[in-house]
Amino acid sequence: QLHLVQSGAEVKEPGASVKVSCKASGYSFTTNYLHWVRQVPEKGLQWMGLINPSDGSTMYAQNFQDRVTMTRDTSTSTVYMDLTRLRSEDTAVYYCARDRAMSTSSGLLDSWGQGTLVTVSS
Amino acid sequence: DIQMTQSPSSVSASVGDRVTITCRASQGIRTYLNWYQQKPGKAPRFLIYGASSLQSGVPSRFSGSGSGTDFTLTISSLQPEDFATYYCQQSYITPTFGPGTKVEIK
Repeated sequence: QLHLVQSGAEVKEPGASVKVSCKASGYSFTTNYLHWVRQVPEKGLQWMGLINPSDGSTMYAQNFQDRVTMTRDTSTSTVYMDLTRLRSEDTAVYYCARDRAMSTSSGLLDSWGQGTLVTVSS
Repeated sequence: DIQMTQSPSSVSASVGDRVTITCRASQGIRTYLNWYQQKPGKAPRFLIYGASSLQSGVPSRFSGSGSGTDFTLTISSLQPEDFATYYCQQSYITPTFGPGTKVEIK
């Protein structure tokens, strides 16, 4: 059964960095792209970017281009999202989500992790 | 970026009611429109893709329609488990989501 399991909640000070992990199981890890989407409390969903686990190539949303890095470890079927220079507005739940298509990006997010709350506060 | 809007922002309905939610894109996106359901404290659930195709396991009381810039999600007979927030999302270019429509109990 397909599962995406994310790392636990984090509390960070402004200016710090956070690294959230997402471990995939139940399917072939390198076949489907993985996306990161965040949700500010009581607000909507914002796409941050994606990674191709097969070759590690990435595409980032313009809003996060200079602060986000997505990586993967094929030996553990895990992807990581690193967000730097955190500010209070980055307080949100961060989700990883699997792309439905195989070996390409369709933007259809058919399975989601449970979410990781990142709180930025001094 | 393509901007997505939804209406209404919230709707109060009773079990058995027919509910329709509208989503509009700021430019034409053909049928690259998807719908998600989210319950409090949970991750979104993928419901409909390509404007009208049901994801496996989604009940047939859910349906979607539209193309270009205007789309609808319809729940034909609202069930207790359908009270949630619904988001549209375009996948024509880099994904963007609508602001959500909350379906509440009347």
